[in-house]
Amino acid sequence: DTAVSQTPKYLVTQMGNDKSIKCEQNLGHDTMYWYKQDSKKFLKIMFSYNNKELIINETVPNRFSPKSPDKAHLNLHINSLELGDSAVYFCASSQAWGTGRAGELFFGEGSRLTVL
Amino acid sequence: DQQVKQNSPSLSVQEGRISILNCDYTNSMFDYFLWYKKYPAEGPTFLISISSIKDKNEDGRFTVFLNKSAKHLSLHIVPSQPGDSAVYFCAATPNTNAGKSTFGDGTTLTVKP
Repeated sequence: DTAVSQTPKYLVTQMGNDKSIKCEQNLGHDTMYWYKQDSKKFLKIMFSYNNKELIINETVPNRFSPKSPDKAHLNLHINSLELGDSAVYFCASSQAWGTGRAGELFFGEGSRLTVL
Repeated sequence: DQQVKQNSPSLSVQEGRISILNCDYTNSMFDYFLWYKKYPAEGPTFLISISSIKDKNEDGRFTVFLNKSAKHLSLHIVPSQPGDSAVYFCAATPNTNAGKSTFGDGTTLTVKP
């Protein structure tokens, strides 16, 4: 049973298109995240949601819009895709702050987006 | 400004020997440090962590050492096994806040049989 699952795993699309990546976690965590791993392999946080509310929004273009219909789901929608958006996007979740494993992130398998 | 650095992009060791992966940080607010392991086409998975109140934490073959004065931590794997071949990410966070995690850019470990 996958703890954090994201779909699709691979996505190839043309510049200018709009695409979405979905994420679901069955760990009962309150907080979910989107991370971007670029060509230099850095993992950078994009967004964080706590119980459906946005709590972190790093400097990310407005073309990226997260949506959390409930605390187990966090989707990422990207408008007007650009070449520079090509990357691996990881969804993650964590326990509530103050709990035993609060500092740990539980990652999905990643979604590799290629923009042509 | 890269607050967490892993200066060795790759490391190759022989099976059975010790693997030492290093990580340096600059932000004094970091007080919780983690190592994640990542296999190809998978997400990073948590390996081991250490709080700033400790200087060592051990879990089986994995030990993490923290030198706060030098702002340096290291991960020791002994004995190394071929299945340990992966990318290892160091991460640091203030107040055990996962959402504030800052990652290094990873070290690719190859353990040769």
